[in-house]
Amino acid sequence: GAGVSQSPSNKVTEKGKDVELRCDPISGHTALYWYRQSLGQGLEFLIYFQGNSAPDKSGLPSDRFSAERTGGSVSTLTIQRTQQEDSAVYLCASSSHTQETQYFGPGTRLLVL
Amino acid sequence: AQSVAQPEDQVNVAEGNPLTVKCTYSVSGNPYLFWYVQYPNRGLQFLLKYITGDNLVKGSYGFEAEFNKSQTSFHLKKPSALVSDSALYFCAVRPWGYNQGGKLIFGQGTELSVKP
Repeated sequence: GAGVSQSPSNKVTEKGKDVELRCDPISGHTALYWYRQSLGQGLEFLIYFQGNSAPDKSGLPSDRFSAERTGGSVSTLTIQRTQQEDSAVYLCASSSHTQETQYFGPGTRLLVL
Repeated sequence: AQSVAQPEDQVNVAEGNPLTVKCTYSVSGNPYLFWYVQYPNRGLQFLLKYITGDNLVKGSYGFEAEFNKSQTSFHLKKPSALVSDSALYFCAVRPWGYNQGGKLIFGQGTELSVKP
């Protein structure tokens, strides 16, 4: 079956612009996670959704970062007023339940110039 | 603080030899432990996990891992390495607790290089 998909695969933007990253989880998966992978910080948790609600937003690095999930499916991660330090690979994962294995998408590589 | 350590940035192995990628962890409660592999420009692929039960866990592509509670370790192993195993390997732990929501804490990754 289809895995987790993310779009765009690559995004180049200018400092100060807003960007939206999209994640389509595996069908039927109720839990959805966003992580960030960067050279300096490794793999960091950002936020997770159970259904459409986000019980844990503790990993969002600043108030420029926000995320939503609609219909218990697609999620969008928005970064406002991007900064160069936001350059990273943003990974999305989903699981059938919070206690189950997370399956990752291919990621969105963001470059802020 | 809950954390995962992969003490080796890089592991080099000759094809056909056994390989070990090390992982130690520090968490409260009983750990849920995972190994993922990442190929260049790809997302993470699940290899195996330990939740409870037998300390030796078998996973995809011939990999296995041994949970050692006294040493707080979860080393990844394979009896005979293949060149195609060359990739970046991540150990991860899921903090235990209802309010943790299943988020994973990752080690910094170990680059495995298998030479012919």
